[in-house]
Amino acid sequence: DTAVSQTPKYLVTQMGNDKSIKCEQNLGHDTMYWYKQDSKKFLKIMFSYNNKELIINETVPNRFSPKSPDKAHLNLHINSLELGDSAVYFCASSRGLAAYEQYFGPGTRLTVT
Amino acid sequence: GIQVEQSPPDLILQEGANSTLRCNFSDSVNNLQWFHQNPWGQLINLFYIPSGTKQNGRLSATTVATERYSLLYISSSQTTDSGVYFCAVGYSGAGSYQLTFGKGTKLSVIP
Repeated sequence: DTAVSQTPKYLVTQMGNDKSIKCEQNLGHDTMYWYKQDSKKFLKIMFSYNNKELIINETVPNRFSPKSPDKAHLNLHINSLELGDSAVYFCASSRGLAAYEQYFGPGTRLTVT
Repeated sequence: GIQVEQSPPDLILQEGANSTLRCNFSDSVNNLQWFHQNPWGQLINLFYIPSGTKQNGRLSATTVATERYSLLYISSSQTTDSGVYFCAVGYSGAGSYQLTFGKGTKLSVIP
């Protein structure tokens, strides 16, 4: 059984479009995260939700909006896509915030043309 | 925020060799994990090790929290060990939360 899943795996779109990436975890965890991995493989946290409440919100353009309909899901919506948004986006979950082991999804490779 | 430095940035090994990867961090943490990102991009949990020593097959890890470093040992390396190894640290306390990844060590194991 997949613990943390993301859809889609690949996303190719044009500048200016709006797109969403979905994430689901079946581990019963309370905390979920979104990370961005750039072309140099650097992983940086974007957002964290704990029990559906936004806890960590790093310096990310407000074109990025996370939404957590329930504890098992954390979606990422991106408005007005730009070339610089091209990256791999990873979803992760953990039992609690920051001090607990994180489990990552397979990633979504976003390419903006 | 917490700074994380990994060394070396790149490592090339002959199959069968041993290696040690290092992760230094700048402040107190209550979470430290090692991950392997394989050539297909998957992030695989290796160890959750905020302190102490753990072993899993050919891999072992040690974290000395008081001295702010962690080591990942790979013995008898295999070509399937190739990829990028990340150290990630976290801090949770007094309403403050931080999660930081190091820049990784890229390991290439050649036959």
